[in-house]
Amino acid sequence: GAVVSQHPSRVICKSGTSVKIECRSLDFQATTMFWYRQFPKKSLMLMATSNEGSKATYEQGVEKDKFLINHASLTLSTLTVTSAHPEDSSFYICSASFRDQETQYFGPGTRLLVL
Amino acid sequence: GDSVTQMEGPVTLSEEAFLTINCTYTATGYPSLFWYVQYPGEGLQLLLKATKADDKGSNKGFEATYRKETTSFHLEKGSVQVSDSAVYFCALSDKYSSASKIIFGSGTRLSIRP
Repeated sequence: GAVVSQHPSRVICKSGTSVKIECRSLDFQATTMFWYRQFPKKSLMLMATSNEGSKATYEQGVEKDKFLINHASLTLSTLTVTSAHPEDSSFYICSASFRDQETQYFGPGTRLLVL
Repeated sequence: GDSVTQMEGPVTLSEEAFLTINCTYTATGYPSLFWYVQYPGEGLQLLLKATKADDKGSNKGFEATYRKETTSFHLEKGSVQVSDSAVYFCALSDKYSSASKIIFGSGTRLSIRP
């Protein structure tokens, strides 16, 4: 149980375009979803936390207008990278939690390459 | 603020060797401690966790004991296998001070030689 999927797994886009990444909890209702960014050979950096039906809470230094997060239902959250630039190329990972929120279940990640 | 420090990798061992990956933490409250594993090409998976002092988390032959006196949560396995090759992340969650956020260490890459 507690499976989280992400789509797409890999995306290549041109600079200036927007990319949407979906995160779904497949077999549970996620009260909270988290979006992380992982740089090569580095740890995960939390970008934002979102609860269903409310605005996401962004970490310091993360541009909310650039990384739009929508948590429309208890099983779906989306991250849209707007006007992507090469420096946005990274591995984006979502996670979802329910009940006590302490245990997070991670998606497989989405590799974004901006040309 | 809260933080996690783990030993830098990469760590390379021969099959059946004993493994220790050190992890220490700093927290203002009473954190839960975790080890996550990331296999090549896959997402993070929870390996084990401990929620209070002296608890021992265990899974797949891996163990870690929550040591409050030394603020440590070292990962150990008695006999590693090639399939254990992955990146291991130590992490903490302190719901009293960080509202369910997980703070990760920098990760330790483990490679096991046949």
